[in-house]
Amino acid sequence: NAGVTQTPKFRILKIGQSMTLQCAQDMNHNYMYWYRQDPGMGLKLIYYSVGAGITDKGEVPNGYNVSRSTTEDFPLRLELAAPSQTSVYFCASSFFNRQGRETQYFGPGTRLLVL
Amino acid sequence: AQKITQTQPGMFVQEKEAVTLDCTYDTSDQSYGLFWYKQPSSGEMIFLIYQGSYDEQNATEGRYSLNFQKARKSANLVISASQLGDSAMYFCAMREGPTYKYIFGTGTRLKVLA
Repeated sequence: NAGVTQTPKFRILKIGQSMTLQCAQDMNHNYMYWYRQDPGMGLKLIYYSVGAGITDKGEVPNGYNVSRSTTEDFPLRLELAAPSQTSVYFCASSFFNRQGRETQYFGPGTRLLVL
Repeated sequence: AQKITQTQPGMFVQEKEAVTLDCTYDTSDQSYGLFWYKQPSSGEMIFLIYQGSYDEQNATEGRYSLNFQKARKSANLVISASQLGDSAMYFCAMREGPTYKYIFGTGTRLKVLA
């Protein structure tokens, strides 16, 4: 298993440009998440999905969009990049066992710099 | 509103000793999950341990244990027999039960001394 993969690893954007951060998992997990981590801070939830075709907003959704057409993929779209979106972006997926215990798996992160 | 508080910005521990990292939470939900993650200087996020709000026993995963005190709304991480490789940032997090939304604390930076 590759686990959770993210591309690209690093990207520089100009203000106003758009881009899509890719996230894929091969563990057949229904639950997937996008977080951002600003320097010296914890993670903040941007969007999450509980299954293909179902997405919902997290704590900081403004300026982002997501889609979940398949169980495996959960891309994050930035439409008009702003300097405030400079951050490290993590994608994650979750697995719940029969006892309801959860394990969350993270991708390696995408470092985004908006200038 | 749900909230996670980590009051220790930084901690030092001698190699082979145990260390406790504090985490308190606030929620009005009856069903929730509590998590601890490790973030080494390489930047990756590593899941360490999970505690469900209805779990009667404290969770353990190898050298990690979660001291869950529901009435006090605390979920402290205990690392036994610290190793140099434990030096990292540690984050406490909570999942709101009905919504699958997660909130994170600001983290505690642990330094293990040889």
